[in-house]
Amino acid sequence: QLTQSPSFLSASVGDRVTITCRASQELSSYFAWYQQKPGKAPKLLIYAASTLQSGVPSRFSGSASGTEFTLTISSLQPEDFATYYCQELNSYPRTFIFGPGTKVDVK
Amino acid sequence: QVQLQESGPGLVKPSQTLSLTCAVSGGSVSSGTYFWNWIRQPAGKGLEWLGRIYPSGNTNYNPSLRSRVTMSVDSSKNQFSLKLTSATAADTAVYFCARGQLLVQGEFFDYWGQGSLVTVSS
Repeated sequence: QLTQSPSFLSASVGDRVTITCRASQELSSYFAWYQQKPGKAPKLLIYAASTLQSGVPSRFSGSASGTEFTLTISSLQPEDFATYYCQELNSYPRTFIFGPGTKVDVK
Repeated sequence: QVQLQESGPGLVKPSQTLSLTCAVSGGSVSSGTYFWNWIRQPAGKGLEWLGRIYPSGNTNYNPSLRSRVTMSVDSSKNQFSLKLTSATAADTAVYFCARGQLLVQGEFFDYWGQGSLVTVSS
């Protein structure tokens, strides 16, 4: 089970945004973050909890502390308004699980 | 550049089998460092991983669907497929195919198809 908070977040361009997921295990190798815009497929942002996917702006970062995983956007840009999902690979049964999502809206 | 494209019927009758295919270009389904996935998303809801298939044909399925789902891979056509039996309205969703990366650093989905809307209705 993955919990994600907040479910909704209103922010302005330039804001620092933090989204948190609490996972069932501490295995950061199997934790990732995705961004999804309406009508589009999700896009990989971060894998192994803190590794930035190639081509993703450096304002995105990920961190982990125990079973708590965090996605931070250092300075929100207009193209960052979207829904963000966390994902872990459960060890048993070996199943990928997504968090319920955080929608980042314009304040 | 790797591209994935889903195809299949957009409308399926209840109790029938939902079938989708994902054509892969710019990469090979036979490459050992990748695995191939189906993920779905009901309208306005979150993402649900259905399962994955390795180039060897080995599979992992989501336990919630295991009895109804079958995945296969066709290296000659560079594509993989999903079959979901006994479809109900609850299976209505956008279905995405995605490539999974298998690295020491972790496992994750790096390329996705655009998605295919499947509606289960009579």
